[in-house]
Amino acid sequence: KAGVTQTPRYLIKTRGQQVTLSCSPISGHRSVSWYQQTPGQGLQFLFEYFSETQRNKGNFPGRFSGRQFSNSRSEMNVSTLELGDSALYLCASSPSGQGLGSPLHFGNGTRLTVT
Amino acid sequence: ELKVEQNPLFLSMQEGKNYTIYCNYSTTSDRLYWYRQDPGKSLESLFVLLSNGAVKQEGRLMASLDTKARLSTLHITAAVHDLSATYFCAVDIKGSQGNLIFGKGTKLSVKP
Repeated sequence: KAGVTQTPRYLIKTRGQQVTLSCSPISGHRSVSWYQQTPGQGLQFLFEYFSETQRNKGNFPGRFSGRQFSNSRSEMNVSTLELGDSALYLCASSPSGQGLGSPLHFGNGTRLTVT
Repeated sequence: ELKVEQNPLFLSMQEGKNYTIYCNYSTTSDRLYWYRQDPGKSLESLFVLLSNGAVKQEGRLMASLDTKARLSTLHITAAVHDLSATYFCAVDIKGSQGNLIFGKGTKLSVKP
């Protein structure tokens, strides 16, 4: 069974640009979550999508947005990039996201560098 | 606001020794997760603890949960070099697995 796939693996962008990251969850998983990982702040929750609806959102500015498609694939977009957005962005999927206590399955991440 | 605190944040051990990593969280939650991350890699699920008193073991690692004390422990027995990694605990909120609050992580280095 294929794992969570994130593309691209690496990105270098310039301040002010925008970027779109893609995530394909494990087949059958309907919940997709996004996390930002930095050395200073650690792992921080961005948002969760379930059945094409945003179900939860973390404490990030509106420049960070996402969506989920009918096949459960998800994208996140960051507009007007800032230097502080440089991070590893992790996508994770789970079967349903509610109350079953199964773990998240993480992809290998997209390393975004903003110059 | 839910806070998750791990200690220690850095741990250097000798092979063969035992040690415990602690994870405290600030509000009620019945679900706690432990993950492992190798350098440059993604997170791998180790344990899911779903109730008070839950104990799970895999190889040299054993995790437990005390929801009354809001404390989980990850115990390492007879450490080996292959256990060198960063270990994260995470607690979920709002009844959704997708929304986890992670601790800062414990970077474990096991030396011969």
